[in-house]
Amino acid sequence: GNSVTQMEGPVTLSEEAFLTINCTYTATGYPSLFWYVQYPGEGLQLLLKATKADDKGSNKGFEATYRKETTSFHLEKGSVQVSDSAVYFCALRPRDQNFVFGPGTRLSVLP
Amino acid sequence: ETGVTQSPTHLIKTRGQQVTLRCSSQSGHNTVSWYQQALGQGPQFIFQYYREEENGRGNFPPRFSGLQFPNYSSELNVNALELDDSALYLCASSPVDGTEAFFGQGTRLTVV
Repeated sequence: GNSVTQMEGPVTLSEEAFLTINCTYTATGYPSLFWYVQYPGEGLQLLLKATKADDKGSNKGFEATYRKETTSFHLEKGSVQVSDSAVYFCALRPRDQNFVFGPGTRLSVLP
Repeated sequence: ETGVTQSPTHLIKTRGQQVTLRCSSQSGHNTVSWYQQALGQGPQFIFQYYREEENGRGNFPPRFSGLQFPNYSSELNVNALELDDSALYLCASSPVDGTEAFFGQGTRLTVV
């Protein structure tokens, strides 16, 4: 079956620190991969996506590369801000099927 | 803002009651799916509708049911509410040929 594993949180960083949130997946076929972000009391917002192997998704300074050989899609940002504090969800979506989400990783950035 | 709107935003129900949640999908999107997000967890797939037909279902009992209307809006109905049904319910819409989905703000359901 399809599944997503994320690093356990919470992750606490100081402002301007480097961020990595690990994500690995198990899937049949070649799904699209996503990172969604959820701010307190809100729904999910798409952060970035990649639809095939070696694609790099990027947005707002965040990046993730679709690695088929390691079945990974790790999220990185070079310099985090307090406003990046949120819960981050890694997800996969096989073609024409539903999303499968990881459990989420809570990030807290301290000034 | 994604263009996907859900109502109501918050709801409190008593165990055993029934509830209906509503979703208006983004213009041009004919696929709607519903997810349940329990506190501190990732969203879990409930079901998906395409052109008014259910075309995928997760591991949820039959008391979770839905509808999609000709304008592609959708409803989620839950009968015989249980305490464990307390969660954030998210609606997502997507175009038929799209890979991503756009999520609404969710409905926070509390069952007491």
